[in-house]
Amino acid sequence: GENVEQHPSTLSVQEGDSAVIKCTYSDSASNYFPWYKQELGKRPQLIIDIRSNVGEKKDQRIAVTLNKTAKHFSLHITETQPEDSAVYFCAARQSGGSYIPTFGRGTSLIVHP
Amino acid sequence: DSGVTQTPKHLITATGQRVTLRCSPRSGDLSVYWYQQSLDQGLQFLIQYYNGEERAKGNILERFSAQQFPDLHSELNLSSLELGDSALYFCASSVSLNHEQFFGPGTRLTVL
Repeated sequence: GENVEQHPSTLSVQEGDSAVIKCTYSDSASNYFPWYKQELGKRPQLIIDIRSNVGEKKDQRIAVTLNKTAKHFSLHITETQPEDSAVYFCAARQSGGSYIPTFGRGTSLIVHP
Repeated sequence: DSGVTQTPKHLITATGQRVTLRCSPRSGDLSVYWYQQSLDQGLQFLIQYYNGEERAKGNILERFSAQQFPDLHSELNLSSLELGDSALYFCASSVSLNHEQFFGPGTRLTVL
């Protein structure tokens, strides 16, 4: 089955800095990679996703890059703000079979004002 | 608000008891997923239903069961509860199997 590794587990940055969270996956059949943001005590919310037919996707201050050859994908947040503080989860999923995503263990991002 | 609703928000019970968690998917969504989130385990997939039928099983204990009803709401039943079952239980739904999931607000279960 799929295995998703996520690093770092904790990331502390100053407001205005950039933050990068990296994930690797094991199953080359995975072709859909969503990222979720979970604020304390709240639900995970989809913030951006990428499919394997593109290498990069951007939405305002967040971007995701995908390297299919190396089987890794990353979340980039620029000009971080205190409200970006949350736990971020990456996931990988096939478009076929059970379509169940495998989640990384999460990264706790802390943005200091 | 994702449109997915879960009840109750909080549940406190004792070891050995049985509880039922309820989930209503977004209007039009046919697929429902259940996840367990504990501090040291991240988001663990439990079970998936699609249009009333079980579609996939993850790390779901035999003490746990679920079903999806004709109106597409789903219930997760947890029995013979243990202290280690204390966790946040999330339901998510999607339009179909190949679409993004939207999570409900979760049910926080505390087993004393």
